[in-house]
Amino acid sequence: DQQVKQNSPSLSVQEGRISILNCDYTNSMFDYFLWYKKYPAEGPTFLISISSIKDKNEDGRFTVFLNKSAKHLSLHIVPSQPGDSAVYFCAAKKAAGNKLTFGGGTRVLVKP
Amino acid sequence: DSGVTQTPKHLITATGQRVTLRCSPRSGDLSVYWYQQSLDQGLQFLIQYYNGEERAKGNILERFSAQQFPDLHSELNLSSLELGDSALYFCASSVAGQGFGELFFGEGSRLTVL
Repeated sequence: DQQVKQNSPSLSVQEGRISILNCDYTNSMFDYFLWYKKYPAEGPTFLISISSIKDKNEDGRFTVFLNKSAKHLSLHIVPSQPGDSAVYFCAAKKAAGNKLTFGGGTRVLVKP
Repeated sequence: DSGVTQTPKHLITATGQRVTLRCSPRSGDLSVYWYQQSLDQGLQFLIQYYNGEERAKGNILERFSAQQFPDLHSELNLSSLELGDSALYFCASSVAGQGFGELFFGEGSRLTVL
């Protein structure tokens, strides 16, 4: 039972354009949502998060949008840079505990 | 550098064998989490320890076990290894056992079972 899904395994975008990564979840008990970025041969690193009481959170070039009624969130990267090429994981957690449930990841390639 | 140290980075072994993966959390972090990432898949939660005690359990096989020691480092023991156990095993740590906290991941231990 995959509670967090990233339906696009890969995404290719031109440098300077917008990258939009999508994530869907099924468990209505999830209260916080996070995006992690992973480069090859490295561990995932935290990128940005959003609480379920918000619908948008912005940090520099990264913005996460949450549509709680649709159980859907997205990550926007504007403008995309070659250094953004990585695998992005969506993750969710319940209010209690820090256990994260991850999606399958989306591989982003930003072309110069 | 996340501050989480995992050893070994790479490990090749045979089916039926047993291995131990080690994790040192960030200084001050009390919680340790183990995740498994099989070939190009998402991270599957295995188990969490908080200050030496098991806090949460995921889809961890009975052949796998873990513990967290008084110095807060953790070990993941994998026994009777099968080909399908080949994966990246990540350890992560956080300050507390609950609440809103990001996890800090190590670089992972890549296990290859031949």
